[in-house]
Amino acid sequence: DGGITQSPKYLFRKEGQNVTLSCEQNLNHDAMYWYRQDPGQGLRLIYYSQIVNDFQKGDIAEGYSVSREKKESFPLTVTSAQKNPTAFYLCASKGQEYNEQFFGPGTRLTVL
Amino acid sequence: GQQVMQIPQYQHVQEGEDFTTYCNSSTTLSNIQWYKQRPGGHPVFLIQLVKSGEVKKQKRLTFQFGEAKKNSSLHITATQTTDVGTYFCAGRRAAGNKLTFGGGTRVLVKP
Repeated sequence: DGGITQSPKYLFRKEGQNVTLSCEQNLNHDAMYWYRQDPGQGLRLIYYSQIVNDFQKGDIAEGYSVSREKKESFPLTVTSAQKNPTAFYLCASKGQEYNEQFFGPGTRLTVL
Repeated sequence: GQQVMQIPQYQHVQEGEDFTTYCNSSTTLSNIQWYKQRPGGHPVFLIQLVKSGEVKKQKRLTFQFGEAKKNSSLHITATQTTDVGTYFCAGRRAAGNKLTFGGGTRVLVKP
């Protein structure tokens, strides 16, 4: 089955630690995205990548970093510089029919 | 920057009733998309509107794109418990590669 996987589903970290969230897709999509969702809020774009070895900052990139070494993978690192890292993180890739977003199941990060 | 606003933020609906949620952009859009996120789930693409004044239907859901391509609406008729969730609109500017999501309308259905 084609799709996007994110792991883990739930993640707990201590304050001051960096943490990397995994995102893998087998849809053969070029573009991938990371969004952050806070309780009762919409989705805010963190970073996006239109092609391998290239990525751009979204609206709230501060405190985050990404890499895009393979087409299938777009990991997100939440660094200790991110002031309020506790949130639901969604990875997405862009479909070809409508340029729609295909979302993964998300990772719920809690920083204690 | 571009802003997309949705109203209402919350909608409590009696089962069987109709309701409408609205989406307004600060800038003209090339297209608008709608997504549904079930509680505990992730957003799922519903539909895309491209043309000015376009109306599309999916069973009990009717989507409309405004004439000025700055606003959109989603109307649900005869609401069912399966309609529970948060509905997001997302707009894309001309030649843009990013979608800007609205804050969503969270729909709760009273049986």
